[in-house]
Amino acid sequence: DSGVTQTPKHLITATGQRVTLRCSPRSGDLSVYWYQQSLDQGLQFLIQYYNGEERAKGNILERFSAQQFPDLHSELNLSSLELGDSALYFCASSVEGGTDTGELFFGEGSRLTVL
Amino acid sequence: EDQVTQSPEALRLQEGESSSLNCSYTVSGLRGLFWYRQDPGKGPEFLFTLYSAGEEKEKERLKATLTKKESFLHITAPKPEDSATYLCAVQAWPSGSARQLTFGSGTQLTVLP
Repeated sequence: DSGVTQTPKHLITATGQRVTLRCSPRSGDLSVYWYQQSLDQGLQFLIQYYNGEERAKGNILERFSAQQFPDLHSELNLSSLELGDSALYFCASSVEGGTDTGELFFGEGSRLTVL
Repeated sequence: EDQVTQSPEALRLQEGESSSLNCSYTVSGLRGLFWYRQDPGKGPEFLFTLYSAGEEKEKERLKATLTKKESFLHITAPKPEDSATYLCAVQAWPSGSARQLTFGSGTQLTVLP
């Protein structure tokens, strides 16, 4: 158990809809990362938040947005869903600085299926 | 653009049969190279971080090495419980503390009893 909690584990929805994925990082971790894993693209970095502020952006579509709340949990919002958005969405958290090994702690993912 | 290529895509070994997985990378400036293990239906689990050419890290039956162009994950006398997908990732400068990792597609390892 990595200590990172993601909900829901599975989600089935239709094209054009909007969904929200939720992530609670490990206790004490200020950084939250979102990654997308699909069969053809592998693991792709989407976005990072650090203590409530956006820190880095990767290959995140404009239809997707994220935020990190004061209690440090994060939400990834996916809108106008397309078939190609079907994937596993992982949240990860990390320690920054100090004896930081660079390790990311991943949750178990949210599997999104768009029909 | 940072690139990570892993080979082979899949590897089947008999229990006890040692082998190596390869990770070739192209990056503007390497801040760190990471190995993760991913079991089906689970998130990746951290194994090692390597920072500079010549560095080696070991954990049980796994040993990771790094050169300026590639990394190897050596598996000695593997057991069925080592079956998983092994992912390699790089973090490039100047990413600061952002772990904007570029992952390879992984090597799916199956160890047969």
